[in-house]
Amino acid sequence: RKEVEQDPGPFNVPEGATVAFNCTYSNSASQSFFWYRQDCRKEPKLLMSVYSSGNEDGRFTAQLNRASQYISLLIRDSKLSDSATYLCVVRGYNQAGTALIFGKGTTLSVSS
Amino acid sequence: NAGVTQTPKFRVLKTGQSMTLLCAQDMNHEYMYWYRQDPGMGLRLIHYSVGEGTTAKGEVPDGYNVSRLKKQNFLLGLESAAPSQTSVYFCASSSQAYEQYFGPGTRLTVT
Repeated sequence: RKEVEQDPGPFNVPEGATVAFNCTYSNSASQSFFWYRQDCRKEPKLLMSVYSSGNEDGRFTAQLNRASQYISLLIRDSKLSDSATYLCVVRGYNQAGTALIFGKGTTLSVSS
Repeated sequence: NAGVTQTPKFRVLKTGQSMTLLCAQDMNHEYMYWYRQDPGMGLRLIHYSVGEGTTAKGEVPDGYNVSRLKKQNFLLGLESAAPSQTSVYFCASSSQAYEQYFGPGTRLTVT
């Protein structure tokens, strides 16, 4: 089983739609989880951290289910500017405990 | 603040040539990382550093060397480039285990 798995998509939705992305991770000891956003030919940027209690930032909601080792990202009222690749990221364990393990990303295309 | 910068932005090498990619950060971060990103493979960690003078191997270190002589700089070297090293290389830095900030990337083609 890959360490972080995501549905690659693409997800093609109209403006205003609600879309959800899912991600599973294999290491049950993982403690930190994130969603990064990557625009075409650009660097990844942190979208939001994912907390055990779930968290919301405007139109974006992230949830974590530790029992199922599952992370989700919900985007409400999609905008054209939301078109990007969304990377599910889990902090892995190496000598320093700092390495991030990236999923391959889910591509979202929002159309008018 | 410039954040994380990478030099060069683009480069074309011939097989067997060598080059060094430079990453610089002005956020006083302790931790720095080099990743490569290939289509269908996602981001993979090549090497990382937890402080000046220290480096360690990541997931795909073969064919690369790194050095962290100054806290703000992290160099990635390719001693003998191979076509398999054609990729987009991203440098990142972080304050311990917090958010990683990425540079704009270097697009390398090895022919």
